[in-house]
Order: sequence, then C-alpha cells, then structure tokens
Amino acid sequence: DTAVSQTPKYLVTQMGNDKSIKCEQNLGHDTMYWYKQDSKKFLKIMFSYNNKELIINETVPNRFSPKSPDKAHLNLHINSLELGDSAVYFCASSQGRGREDSYEQYFGPGTRLTVT
Amino acid sequence: DAKTTQPTSMDCAEGRAANLPCNHSTISGNEYVYWYRQIHSQGPQYIIHGLKNNETNEMASLIITEDRKSSTLILPHATLRDTAVYYCIVREVGQGAQKLVFGQGTRLTINP
Repeated sequence: DTAVSQTPKYLVTQMGNDKSIKCEQNLGHDTMYWYKQDSKKFLKIMFSYNNKELIINETVPNRFSPKSPDKAHLNLHINSLELGDSAVYFCASSQGRGREDSYEQYFGPGTRLTVT
Repeated sequence: DAKTTQPTSMDCAEGRAANLPCNHSTISGNEYVYWYRQIHSQGPQYIIHGLKNNETNEMASLIITEDRKSSTLILPHATLRDTAVYYCIVREVGQGAQKLVFGQGTRLTINP
C-alpha cells in the first residue's frame, strides 16, 4: 500500500480554471503538508495541518486553499489558475504534533500541474 | 532555521563510498541536521538525521563534527539508484511547526 498518495499525477488545465489536488496518507500521522517545486527545482513549503488545524501558512496567494476533512486527508484547491502556478506539488506527512518532535516527513509522488 | 551550504554537484563511482559534505556554521544547539534526497521525478525521501552524535541506519551514515558546524552524509556502497539530489537541512525542534527549508542540494551522479 502506498503510504502517501496524491491524485491526479498529472493535471493540465487552462488559465482561470479552478482545480483540486487530493492527498491521502495511511500512516496514521497527525501532520500533513503541501510543498511546491517550481521549474527551478526549489522546494518550498506552502501549508501544514495538524489534526485538521492549520499550523503553517506561508506567503501563498489566497487563490490556494487547503482543506483537511480528517487527519488522513489534505486537499489543495486552487482558484483562478495562473501560468505561474505551473509546478509539481508534493504532499507529505509526519508523526507528532509537528512542533516538538524530530520525526521525518514522508512525501507523496507529486502532482505535475501545467497551466496553459 | 540555519542555512546550509552544499556543493552543487558531485560524482562517484558505483560501489565506492559517496561522501556528501554540508556546512551549517550558524547552527544552534537545538537544531537537528536532516538529510533527504530526491530521485528524478519522485518525491523527496528521508535518509537520516542527527543532533550531536554520529548516526547510522540501513541507508547511510551521518558524521557531525564536534563543533556541529558541518556534517557529512556517507553512502557506503553507492549504486546507480543512488543518483539523486541530496538535501542537507537544519531544523529547530521545539519551537514552531515542523517546516523543512530545502536549499539547492547536491546533485550526486553515480557512474558505472
């Protein structure tokens, strides 16, 4: 069984559309994350949720809205897509409350978003 | 979190030990050193982490200098599948959320 899974793997869409990326982890972890890897290959954190509570919210446009229906799922909804949103988006999860631990993060396979 | 400095790229022959250095001269006492790698088109993969002592697991060894200002990741018997970008990350535990700040990493190429 895949530990951290994302759907879809590829997403091609036009500017102005709204799209969602889904993430699920079956590791029983409390904390989940979204990272963005741009064309220059830099990985940057966007959001983190701990038990459905938002604990990290980096400087991300309001068009990006994470949703955590339960601690095993963290979805990313993007409104009014722009060309600059094209990137690979990675979901990750880790144990613990995310504040006072040194647990490793487990990453999903990524979703390659292309906005045309 | 403290910044890290890594060589942009390195080469290693298959079967030899790959030694990847990382400088973190501004590291503070409660910051851990983490290593992750990213094989082409895949999500980052955790390798190892440590605070003060050297660490070893089934994937690699982590050697941290006594002053903690640098560390070396050692892949003892590199294979072609170890070709990847390796990230050294320093992260504080105990304050704030668990945020990994990735730098540019070292692109390690294992040659046959």
